[in-house]
Amino acid sequence: TQLLEQSPQFLSIQEGENLTVYCNSSSVFSSLQWYRQEPGEGPVLLVTVVTGGEVKKLKRLTFQFGDARKDSSLHITAAQPGDTGLYLCAGWGSGTYKYIFGTGTRLKVLA
Amino acid sequence: NAGVTQTPKFQVLKTGQSMTLQCAQDMNHEYMSWYRQDPGMGLRLIHYSVGAGITDQGEVPNGYNVSRSTTEDFPLRLLSAAPSQTSVYFCASSKQGMNTEAFFGQGTRLTVV
Repeated sequence: TQLLEQSPQFLSIQEGENLTVYCNSSSVFSSLQWYRQEPGEGPVLLVTVVTGGEVKKLKRLTFQFGDARKDSSLHITAAQPGDTGLYLCAGWGSGTYKYIFGTGTRLKVLA
Repeated sequence: NAGVTQTPKFQVLKTGQSMTLQCAQDMNHEYMSWYRQDPGMGLRLIHYSVGAGITDQGEVPNGYNVSRSTTEDFPLRLLSAAPSQTSVYFCASSKQGMNTEAFFGQGTRLTVV
């Protein structure tokens, strides 16, 4: 069974701080997606990373895919209260049609 | 743009009752799936389908049945509800393919008492 482990599980920081969320697996993924989920809503896609070593930026969010395509990270610069939410990585299991999600990182940014 | 539509949004069941959660998508996506999400957690895959007439089990299939008679619809049936099935259920759809994203419904909050 392929797993996506995220760390940390919870993160509470002050506005303006930087943070990094990690998504790790022992398996290779052809791509990984990052989602953000607000309370009472379904997850919404932030980005897809496809190539090993790829770095993508979305305003203050920087996403990186590991060289071996087994891990990814999300870095937020100067966090704002609007960044509060549940961050999820996800990917298609190798050789299967299962689209699996990471364990999730709940971020709270305090004003 | 309807996207993925789930009904109902909220449901309370008594232990042992059965019910069907409905999911429909209008994007002509081949792939549909059901997840459950427990408080503060990620999403766990219950069942999925790669096309009409084809379904398979995910990570936590016990206690749930699915069928896929059309491309658009993918209902999830709880056979005999248990308190452990109290959760928020999400239906998702996507195009077939390794780098595609999933589109989600609004979720169904189910409580089993």
